[in-house]
Amino acid sequence: QSVLTQPPSASGTPGQRVTISCSGSSSNIGDNAVNWYRQLPGTAPKLLIYSTNQWPSGVPDRFSGSKSGTSASLAISGLQSDDEADYYCAAWDDSLKGLIFGGGTKLTVL
Amino acid sequence: QVVESGGDLVQPGGSLRLSCVASGFIFRSYAMTWVRQTPGKGLEWVSSITASSNRTYYTDSVKGRFTISKDTSKNTLYLHMLNLRIEDTAVYYCAKGLGSGSALDYWGQGTLVTVSS
Repeated sequence: QSVLTQPPSASGTPGQRVTISCSGSSSNIGDNAVNWYRQLPGTAPKLLIYSTNQWPSGVPDRFSGSKSGTSASLAISGLQSDDEADYYCAAWDDSLKGLIFGGGTKLTVL
Repeated sequence: QVVESGGDLVQPGGSLRLSCVASGFIFRSYAMTWVRQTPGKGLEWVSSITASSNRTYYTDSVKGRFTISKDTSKNTLYLHMLNLRIEDTAVYYCAKGLGSGSALDYWGQGTLVTVSS
């Protein structure tokens, strides 16, 4: 069972805006930055958002991150078919002294 | 770029050493991390080492069995795994720290470790 809780699945139609939530606690999201990763089938994860709301080079601004208290969200606007992937949130946990991942959300583009 | 190797089929109780060769960045300046993924499941953090190698961190299930280390002369990250268990079966990814916070900005393609009798 993951310390960070994500919905197992999400879906949307092309062009739509979709939001994926990530719920944690004061020892992780509450006190530390959140990072988001995208994993296409059969490939390694790729950093999508870092420090809660920053974009690595090459990531379009259709992807955005936010945080409020002990919860974080990833929003994807202008949904495209190749956005179908697994999305993971992650944060450092001060109590566990380790990095924790959410269980992942499988995004389907209908 | 980071490229892992060393994954193999090993019996329970056996040992293995994973390697991760880094290129294209100043290896000694960045923290490095191992993350694993059981086929069809989610990501699990295994271990991290600071840029200077002065601190290491491990998930509870591998403490005392796994050791992470960096050889800056070879630009190589290692994960020494002892007393392997069936539940250690996974694809192991090596990842580079972004340089601030806990984000991992470059990942290798992974190497498969299978623990089975």
